[in-house]
Amino acid sequence: EPEVTQTPSHQVTQMGQEVILRCVPISNHLYFYWYRQILGQKVEFLVSFYNNEISEKSEIFDDQFSVERPDGSNFTLKIRSTKLEDSAMYFCASSERTSGRNEQFFGPGTRLTVL
Amino acid sequence: DAKTTQPPSMDCAEGRAANLPCNHSTISGNEYVYWYRQIHSQGPQYIIHGLKNNETNEMASLIITEDRKSSTLILPHATLRDTAVYYCIVHISSGSARQLTFGSGTQLTVLP
Repeated sequence: EPEVTQTPSHQVTQMGQEVILRCVPISNHLYFYWYRQILGQKVEFLVSFYNNEISEKSEIFDDQFSVERPDGSNFTLKIRSTKLEDSAMYFCASSERTSGRNEQFFGPGTRLTVL
Repeated sequence: DAKTTQPPSMDCAEGRAANLPCNHSTISGNEYVYWYRQIHSQGPQYIIHGLKNNETNEMASLIITEDRKSSTLILPHATLRDTAVYYCIVHISSGSARQLTFGSGTQLTVLP
């Protein structure tokens, strides 16, 4: 069964460093998403992406964040200068483009620890 | 998206049916009811969704009241691996990249 994959599973970085989180969505999906979950808190939406541009973004997704689909398979989230409060699980998701069916399939997540 | 209300926690005996309720009294006519679950910090997993008719798949059944103001997710024979946080989410399925808004969900604990 096709699945969303994410790398790395765990990333440790120093405050102020740049990190890139990588995702490979399900191959025939056209919509891509990033969510995050701070330990013990709710899953929060960051950004959605379609047709090589951002569709929606939340207040969390400020200028420190960017997304890119550099090739036909990868979808990346970049944090330019990490802060302690960026420590969280980051989940990538993808969905098909079919009206009436918008279930999102999530990857296993990347645990980001900012020291 | 309309807001949902779920109990914070529930227990269920292994092998018995788990019935998870959700209230969504402000749901709009074009909004679907989606259920996801999250097993201990793993990525959320899609379970089932419906508009107004009851739905069943290999994982669960979804019962939606006639007025669509509430729904129940049924896991017919709960196993220990079904222990997870279950999220009821009201969501427009318009074929666009719409965000999911997760609440606190219901922590279901399946007891041996």
